[in-house]
Amino acid sequence: DVKVTQSSRYLVKRTGEKVFLECVQDMDHENMFWYRQDPGLGLRLIYFSYDVKMKEKGDIPEGYSVSREKKERFSLILESASTNQTSMYLCASSLGLGGGITGELFFGEGSRLTVL
Amino acid sequence: DQQVKQNSPSLSVQEGRISILNCDYTNSMFDYFLWYKKYPAEGPTFLISISSIKDKNEDGRFTVFLNKSAKHLSLHIVPSQPGDSAVYFCAATRYNNNDMRFGAGTRLTVKP
Repeated sequence: DVKVTQSSRYLVKRTGEKVFLECVQDMDHENMFWYRQDPGLGLRLIYFSYDVKMKEKGDIPEGYSVSREKKERFSLILESASTNQTSMYLCASSLGLGGGITGELFFGEGSRLTVL
Repeated sequence: DQQVKQNSPSLSVQEGRISILNCDYTNSMFDYFLWYKKYPAEGPTFLISISSIKDKNEDGRFTVFLNKSAKHLSLHIVPSQPGDSAVYFCAATRYNNNDMRFGAGTRLTVKP
């Protein structure tokens, strides 16, 4: 069965702290994504990666960075957390071939981050 | 600037009736569209998709319609069931691209 696992379901951090959100997929997918979900705004793409060590900015990359050292793992990093980064963070993966193939995303269960 | 828009935040229908969820997009480069369903405390799951070379795709009770000239798609659920109550997200992407853009979602409530 397809699995995308996010390391923490709930986190509470303080303003200025560094935050790591980890995501692991077991499907050997090339593409991995980080979205944040906010009421009224839906899912907004932060960063995605189509290969190891490759990354592309999404629509709202400011305040975030990512790391993809291994194919199965994609990490989202908040260098200095701020209250406006309080949100639900969703990791996803999809199959890609060469230039990319359109297909469904498989999502993790989400990580709810609260920044105080 | 949201490239994919779902203008109805919520929809309520009676069990057994049709549910119609709408989605509009602004980027004419999008050529593949998907619907996802999300229950509380879970990640979204894929429901149905459609390529821009088609105008309709069916899967059981779910049908997606695409009107390229209007940049509009819709999801029809017939008949609606209480278990369909969830948030539905419309998504769009391009072939030979790796990113996917989502709408804000529509919360569907199906009343018994």
